[in-house]
Amino acid sequence: EAGVAQSPRYKIIEKRQSVAFWCNPISGHATLYWYQQILGQGPKLLIQFQNNGVVDDSQLPKDRFSAERLKGVDSTLKIQPAKLEDSAVYLCASSSGASGSQETQYFGPGTRLLVL
Amino acid sequence: EDQVTQSPEALRLQEGESSSLNCSYTVSGLRGLFWYRQDPGKGPEFLFTLYSAGEEKEKERLKATLTKKESFLHITAPKPEDSATYLCAVRHFGNEKLTFGTGTRLTIIP
Repeated sequence: EAGVAQSPRYKIIEKRQSVAFWCNPISGHATLYWYQQILGQGPKLLIQFQNNGVVDDSQLPKDRFSAERLKGVDSTLKIQPAKLEDSAVYLCASSSGASGSQETQYFGPGTRLLVL
Repeated sequence: EDQVTQSPEALRLQEGESSSLNCSYTVSGLRGLFWYRQDPGKGPEFLFTLYSAGEEKEKERLKATLTKKESFLHITAPKPEDSATYLCAVRHFGNEKLTFGTGTRLTIIP
């Protein structure tokens, strides 16, 4: 079974530029998450989708971050304009959305963003 | 608000030297405590889920245990390939969000 795919793997931009990340979840997984992981910290949830609807975006800086999940499969996360403090790894995760053992979130390799 | 504290921040062990990593948590209505392993430059890799106090799970040289306030990840006779950052996370009822600790960076010296 293929895992969570993310691209690009690395991105370097200057502050005030825009950037977009893409995620393809595990096939059949209804729930998709975007996390931000700053160096030396644990991942922090930015936004959660259930199919193509937003479940939780309470920690998403909406003045500069946006995300969408059209057709309930792939998702994109955008930052516009980027700030220095946005330098981090952006992780995408997915889960089946069912209860019990299927609640596990599986993570992709992440996109490493450096803002100069 | 859910809180997770992991200790120690870093741990260096000789190959074969057993030890434990600690994860203390505060959550209203625990609906799962999760352990992940993260290698440099990679995303977290799922290890275990524990749901209730007294539960234990094992995988190779790793064993996770859970009490009402903390979880331990015991590593027995570790090998260099066990070197990684180990992350603990909790989820509470009514919310799918995982709240992570800052991790323990484990180094096994040959």
